[in-house]
Amino acid sequence: GAVVSQHPSWVICKSGTSVKIECRSLDFQATTMFWYRQFPKQSLMLMATSNEGSKATYEQGVEKDKFLINHASLTLSTLTVTSAHPEDSSFYICSARVGQGTWLSTEAFFGQGTRLTVV
Amino acid sequence: GENVEQHPSTLSVQEGDSAVIKCTYSDSASNYFPWYKQELGKRPQLIIDIRSNVGEKKDQRIAVTLNKTAKHFSLHITETQPEDSAVYFCAALTQGGSEKLVFGKGTKLTVNP
Repeated sequence: GAVVSQHPSWVICKSGTSVKIECRSLDFQATTMFWYRQFPKQSLMLMATSNEGSKATYEQGVEKDKFLINHASLTLSTLTVTSAHPEDSSFYICSARVGQGTWLSTEAFFGQGTRLTVV
Repeated sequence: GENVEQHPSTLSVQEGDSAVIKCTYSDSASNYFPWYKQELGKRPQLIIDIRSNVGEKKDQRIAVTLNKTAKHFSLHITETQPEDSAVYFCAALTQGGSEKLVFGKGTKLTVNP
């Protein structure tokens, strides 16, 4: 199957700083990527849909100025958590589906996730 | 929007027994239903999926059934093994506008040796 790589796997940062998480599709092009947040023992909650070359689409309740998404190429999307606070500590996972333009495969491939701890 | 309910939240079985996890969805336009297995701190891994034009799909010890009329789909694991212990998530792919995967809350399966 297709491979999605996420970096870093874990990061600890001080409150008030910003953290950037990268999501790469290694062997396919992804015009659309998805960012999820998962709190301990909870489900994956979609935060935003990242679209190559255009603005991301954020889910209701997700602050777009706090969670900056950039999808500058067909293989890379980044999520920047700005002015991080302890309540932002979570497991962030990206996913991508094979496809271009308006066509997307149904199967989603996930990155390995990033454990963010804000102290 | 789509809402996916998953039950039970925890399930404990003896090795060799069967396990069944059930999900319901609300949007009749959803047409793709994957099941993911997630081990602690790891990425979700697709274990089986089913499309809305199929009622049942099987892959060795794992099967999924779909009842479109009732908007139910279920995961069946037979001859469970300790390595099946993990959290399992069902999901539904919404249609119309932007396609999104909506996940259930997960089921923690424990297989006791």
